[in-house]
Amino acid sequence: EAGVAQSPRYKIIEKRQSVAFWCNPISGHATLYWYQQILGQGPKLLIQFQNNGVVDDSQLPKDRFSAERLKGVDSTLKIQPAKLEDSAVYLCASSLARGRGANNEQFFGPGTRLTVL
Amino acid sequence: GNSVTQMEGPVTLSEEAFLTINCTYTATGYPSLFWYVQYPGEGLQLLLKATKADDKGSNKGFEATYRKETTSFHLEKGSVQVSDSAVYFCALSRTLGGSTLGRLYFGRGTQLTVWP
Repeated sequence: EAGVAQSPRYKIIEKRQSVAFWCNPISGHATLYWYQQILGQGPKLLIQFQNNGVVDDSQLPKDRFSAERLKGVDSTLKIQPAKLEDSAVYLCASSLARGRGANNEQFFGPGTRLTVL
Repeated sequence: GNSVTQMEGPVTLSEEAFLTINCTYTATGYPSLFWYVQYPGEGLQLLLKATKADDKGSNKGFEATYRKETTSFHLEKGSVQVSDSAVYFCALSRTLGGSTLGRLYFGRGTQLTVWP
């Protein structure tokens, strides 16, 4: 079974530029998460989708970050414009999320390492 | 609110030494608790989990017991190997009806290096 795919793996941009990350979850997984992992810290949730709807985006800096999952499968996270403090690894995760008693383990992709200069 | 505190790293051990990485949590309700591992150049992988008090999660020689009275979930291994060198993250999620819900709350991670 293929895992969570992310691209690109690395990205270097200058501040005020725009950048987009792509995630393809495990086939059949209804729930998709984007986490931000700043160096030396644990991952923090940016946004959670259930199919193509947003469940939780309370920690997403909406003035510069946006995300979509139009067909309920793959997802794109965008930053526009980027700031120095956005330098981090952006992790995508997915889970089956089939209801009570279900194993809702999150499976993580390899991440995209963003450096903002 | 929900949060996880884990011991500061890095931790450096010789092969076959005993490992303990401390983790305590603050949560509303009764969370599920996890340990994730991140090997160099790879994504996060679930190492073990426990979904209710007194449960013991175990995998690959690692163990952790869900202690509600001390709000702790310490990771232990009796004899570490060089291949265990990685970053270890303690995490929690809310639980409802036996299912884990939504977002994971992570600790800062503990870097473990094992020397031969």
